[in-house]
Amino acid sequence: GDSVTQMEGPVTLSEEAFLTINCTYTATGYPSLFWYVQYPGEGLQLLLKATKADDKGSNKGFEATYRKETTSFHLEKGSVQVSDSAVYFCALSDANSGTYKYIFGTGTRLKVLA
Amino acid sequence: DGGITQSPKYLFRKEGQNVTLSCEQNLNHDAMYWYRQDPGQGLRLIYYSQIVNDFQKGDIAEGYSVSREKKESFPLTVTSAQKNPTAFYLCASTARTNYGYTFGSGTRLTVV
Repeated sequence: GDSVTQMEGPVTLSEEAFLTINCTYTATGYPSLFWYVQYPGEGLQLLLKATKADDKGSNKGFEATYRKETTSFHLEKGSVQVSDSAVYFCALSDANSGTYKYIFGTGTRLKVLA
Repeated sequence: DGGITQSPKYLFRKEGQNVTLSCEQNLNHDAMYWYRQDPGQGLRLIYYSQIVNDFQKGDIAEGYSVSREKKESFPLTVTSAQKNPTAFYLCASTARTNYGYTFGSGTRLTVV
């Protein structure tokens, strides 16, 4: 079945460092891909999305490009801030399944030190 | 503003007790979902509903029950049959697949 694999955390960076969180997927159809962010004690918030190959999603300085050839959707940010400390989830949705179910990765915790 | 409201934020359950978690949305979304989150395990799907009066089991439905009598509401009951209910429960909804989910702020359930 469909699946999402994320790099294990925690990822610890100094403020203004470059961030990459890897995400790869397995899907039989043509999924849409998403990154969600979760701050402590809260629900998940949609960070960015891409619905077809070569699309780039971006929001709040974060970017991710839908790479069909490598089945990847890596999250990047050029300069992280302490306020970016959170758990990041990669997810996919198979537009052809008709169920609207999403598959989530296990999450990657990011800690940014001042 | 539109959104999803989960209540209560914290809930304590005694052994052998059933408890119900509330999820209400005013986004006019057709599909609603319940996920369970445990540390280091990501999100696991409990139940989902695509239309009123219809719902399907997810990956970990045992010990849980739901109803969908109104489009806006999708309550989750954690029954006494669920042996390890301590977790963070998240409700979500969506209008269409490509738009992404909207999540509630979660309910933290603890067995005492």
